[in-house]
This record gives sequence, C-alpha cells and structure tokens, in this order.
Amino acid sequence: KAGVTQTPRYLIKTRGQQVTLSCSPISGHRSVSWYQQTPGQGLQFLFEYFSETQRNKGNFPGRFSGRQFSNSRSEMNVSTLELGDSALYLCASSLWTGGNGYTFGSGTRLTVV
Amino acid sequence: DQQVKQNSPSLSVQEGRISILNCDYTNSMFDYFLWYKKYPAEGPTFLISISSIKDKNEDGRFTVFLNKSAKHLSLHIVPSQPGDSAVYFCAASGNTGTASKLTFGTGTRLQVTL
Repeated sequence: KAGVTQTPRYLIKTRGQQVTLSCSPISGHRSVSWYQQTPGQGLQFLFEYFSETQRNKGNFPGRFSGRQFSNSRSEMNVSTLELGDSALYLCASSLWTGGNGYTFGSGTRLTVV
Repeated sequence: DQQVKQNSPSLSVQEGRISILNCDYTNSMFDYFLWYKKYPAEGPTFLISISSIKDKNEDGRFTVFLNKSAKHLSLHIVPSQPGDSAVYFCAASGNTGTASKLTFGTGTRLQVTL
C-alpha cells in the first residue's frame, strides 16, 4: 500500500510570505500529526488531527495552523514566515488517535530566505 | 526544556559488535517509549517500543531496556550491521489525552564500520 505522501518535497520562500504543506495519509488512517525537525531541536510536535478535529497541539505560535479534510488528507499552513521556520516538516499518520503505530512521510524541506 | 534527552550525538561501532544507544527522560507521566531510525532524505521509521509496565522488549537484533526508577532507556543492536548506520531517535508519549503527542530526543547518529 502507498505510504504517507508529502508535497512538495522542497520549498523556498521569502520572509513574510506564507506557505501551505500537504500530507496524504496511508489509506484508512484517520489520524495525522505534524512535526518540525531542526538540527538543534530534533523533532518537535506541532499538532494532531483526527476526524477533521485538532486533538492535540504543541508549543508553537499561532502562525502555525493546520486542518484535516473529510478524506483525512491534511494541510499545514505557516503565515508570516521567519528565517527560523526553515526546517524539515514531517507528517505522520496512524489508524487511530492516541495510537503508537505512526508512519512518517519523507517530509517537506522548507527554506526561508 | 528537553524532556527526552539523547546525550550522545554520535556513536561509532564495528560491524558485528553491540551498539548501545541511550536515552533519558524527565517527565514521569511518560508511559510509552519508542525508537525510530532515520536515513537522510527519509522520514523516521519505527523500530521498537516498550510500555512502562515492562522493562525489556526484544525484536530480532533489537532490544529496548527501560529503567523507570532512573528514567532511562537504551536500545541494543546485536550484531550491528553497516545498514544500521542512521540517526536513531528516542521518543516518549504520555497517557490518554497526550498519547498522540510524541516527544522526541535530538537523535544519535550511529556509524557501523567494517
């Protein structure tokens, strides 16, 4: 079966712009989580969506938002981009919320210049 | 505040020997622990996990040990193979309500040499 698909793979944006990243979970998976990976901080939890509802949120500013559609696909949006937002953004899907069977996508590498 | 810590950023081990990767945590509410392996340009891949009701879990060449009193867990790989060269992340989750939120360490880069 197809894995978790994240698009685009690479993105370059300018400070102040906004960006939308997309994640298509494994078929049948209803939970989608987003993580930010930076060299100094490792992977940090952004938020989790299950059945179109945000179930959990990490400690990120309101510029980071997300949503989930009825087909479980999820999008993440970052507004007013800052240089420090440059990172690898990873999406993970699971059958259920609170489960530990997360499968990660390959990520979107965002560079803010 | 780093609640999950991997204090060794890198580790080099000879092929065939044992690799031991360590992880410490500070949050006593964590009750489930996982190890992920990550190759460059790929997402993390789940390796093995352990619940706080156990102190050991084994899967083939991989064994995870949990010492709750010390808030410490370790991943043993025996024997180590060149294909094991990757970054290993330790992760933890809490009980219901926060179980979906994985808290990761900063990773340990394992290099298995010939």
